[in-house]
Amino acid sequence: DIQMTQSPSSLSASVGDRVTITCRTSQSIRNSLNWFQQRPGKAPKLLISGASTLQSGVPSRFSGRGSGTDFTLTISSLQPEDSATYYCQQSYSTPWTFGQGTKVEIE
Amino acid sequence: QVQLQESGPGLVKPSQTLSLICSVSGGSVSTGGHYWSWVRQHPGKGLEWIGDIYYSGSTYYSPSLKSRLSISVDMSKNQFSLKLRSVTAADTAVYYCARVVYDASGSNGAFDIWGHGTMVTVSS
Repeated sequence: DIQMTQSPSSLSASVGDRVTITCRTSQSIRNSLNWFQQRPGKAPKLLISGASTLQSGVPSRFSGRGSGTDFTLTISSLQPEDSATYYCQQSYSTPWTFGQGTKVEIE
Repeated sequence: QVQLQESGPGLVKPSQTLSLICSVSGGSVSTGGHYWSWVRQHPGKGLEWIGDIYYSGSTYYSPSLKSRLSISVDMSKNQFSLKLRSVTAADTAVYYCARVVYDASGSNGAFDIWGHGTMVTVSS
């Protein structure tokens, strides 16, 4: 199985801050990396697929980069509604695996 | 637009079979290029992939659940289902169904549409 390591596990930042979440995989997955946002009590929402493709309707302050084993999700200007847990997920090979999540809180 | 809705018992006794259905509306399970998936989330924990099915019946299962798992598709009812046998308290979780869509290259899949999730508790 491909292991996913996200960091940090949680962070607290102010509105307007630039926030970066890192996801590292145990082997190269090319660009087969997706990012999800999950608000409490809700289903996950796909933000970015293929490491960098922003999904329709997702604000442009979200961006993804990376390939191989190292990936990042950046929120360029944190907004109150961005308070959530973010997960990375590899779609390179089954079993599909997720990172452990990064909880983003607004100060 | 495509919507997914999970249904099934919220309480299952240990050693019994957990059975869930995902009803698809606004689209068809027999649409080529899409897989249909189950993902679960233990209380307060992260996401765990359970398995995928294609309309043809091809399945991919998590190795950790494979021996107890069965996923099937019913095109006449436009739904797919999950059966997990011999459950224990460790199977208590929110269960989500989701659609997997692949990009133009066919190499990158993503869970693009999710159901709201259904909580299943395993307890006597």
